Amino acid sequence: DGGITQSPKYLFRKEGQNVTLSCEQNLNHDAMYWYRQDPGQGLRLIYYSQIVNDFQKGDIAEGYSVSREKKESFPLTVTSAQKNPTAFYLCASSIGFQALWDEQFFGPGTRLTVL
Amino acid sequence: AQSVTQPDIHITVSEGASLELRCNYSYGATPYLFWYVQSPGQGLQLLLKYFSGDTLVQGIKGFEAEFKRSQSSFNLRKPSVHWSDAAEYFCAVGARNQGGKLIFGQGTELSVKP
Repeated sequence: DGGITQSPKYLFRKEGQNVTLSCEQNLNHDAMYWYRQDPGQGLRLIYYSQIVNDFQKGDIAEGYSVSREKKESFPLTVTSAQKNPTAFYLCASSIGFQALWDEQFFGPGTRLTVL
Repeated sequence: AQSVTQPDIHITVSEGASLELRCNYSYGATPYLFWYVQSPGQGLQLLLKYFSGDTLVQGIKGFEAEFKRSQSSFNLRKPSVHWSDAAEYFCAVGARNQGGKLIFGQGTELSVKP
């Protein structure tokens, strides 16, 4: 079955530690996205990548970093510079620039709690 | 500035009653419009989308939405709500040549009374 996997579903870290969230897709999509979700704030875009080895900052990139070394993988690192990292993180993918229009497919999410 | 507004943070309806969730957008380009649904602790599932053509679009689970360009709206409707429809609903807007980026509304949480 094609889809997006995020692991782990729950993640706990101590304050000051970097942590990397995994996102893998087997949909052969070019574009991938990371969102942060907080109660009452909808989804906010952290980073996105339209093609391998390229990515752009979204609206709230500070304190986060990404890489896109493979088409199917787009890991997100939450660094110690992120002031309030506890949140629900969603990864998504879409066909990308080859599509005349695009819809995003979402993974199940990772809930990160920083203690 | 581009934006999406869902005026209702929380709506409660009785099972079997009709439902309308509001979505208004501000977008300079010709928009693509989406409605997603999210169950607690889960990812988002696409309910329906509008790209062009017929302004009344049908989606999964008996939902429909109507694009009204003059009102910059894309309201979601369902004639008879089921208890399993309780979830959070997100409206989103995108445009061609925007790299697939979407702007999401803040969401509307739907509760269903028995």
